[in-house]
Amino acid sequence: GIQVEQSPPDLILQEGANSTLRCNFSDSVNNLQWFHQNPWGQLINLFYIPSGTKQNGRLSATTVATERYSLLYISSSQTTDSGVYFCAGVNRDDKIIFGKGTRLHILP
Amino acid sequence: GAGVSQTPSNKVTEKGKYVELRCDPISGHTALYWYRQSLGQGPEFLIYFQGTGAADDSGLPNDRFFAVRPEGSVSTLKIQRTERGDSAVYLCASSLGPTSYNEQFFGPGTRLTVL
Repeated sequence: GIQVEQSPPDLILQEGANSTLRCNFSDSVNNLQWFHQNPWGQLINLFYIPSGTKQNGRLSATTVATERYSLLYISSSQTTDSGVYFCAGVNRDDKIIFGKGTRLHILP
Repeated sequence: GAGVSQTPSNKVTEKGKYVELRCDPISGHTALYWYRQSLGQGPEFLIYFQGTGAADDSGLPNDRFFAVRPEGSVSTLKIQRTERGDSAVYLCASSLGPTSYNEQFFGPGTRLTVL
């Protein structure tokens, strides 16, 4: 099955900083989603992005399917951005495979 | 409309007991997924329903785990003879159709603790 690798595994930033999170996948995926898991464990949908670029406020994402990676950009970080960010790819069998996540901690 | 809901939010049980976890998907979503998330890990796929049938149950760890979706809406994950290693957060998700072409939405999870 496909492997999904996320980097960096951990990231500590000062409030106001920008960051880039990366997701590499080992094989073609039909689909890709980015999630934010808040401290209460809820997975919140950020982007549904099989290809191209999308923006939503301070967040944007780019997926380059031909090169098997996706990037999540967070600008002007806030403490509420803290948590774990997951990317997940969908393989040919409609199975969604998650990476291990990037743990982001924004310091006030 | 309402999102995916899961009950109970927390379940504490003793080793060897039987538990049932419930998932209520978003209305109209035909696809339903169960995942298990251990501490510090990403969610791991357990089983996928398309309608009433299990389209893929390859992620169920052993035959103590079983899931049903008799009317194509609510689903129940059943765990027999629970073991301490079953302790985890069990997540449910739903999508309009197959997730290759549809966005998946998650419920808040059920935290299962086996003593």
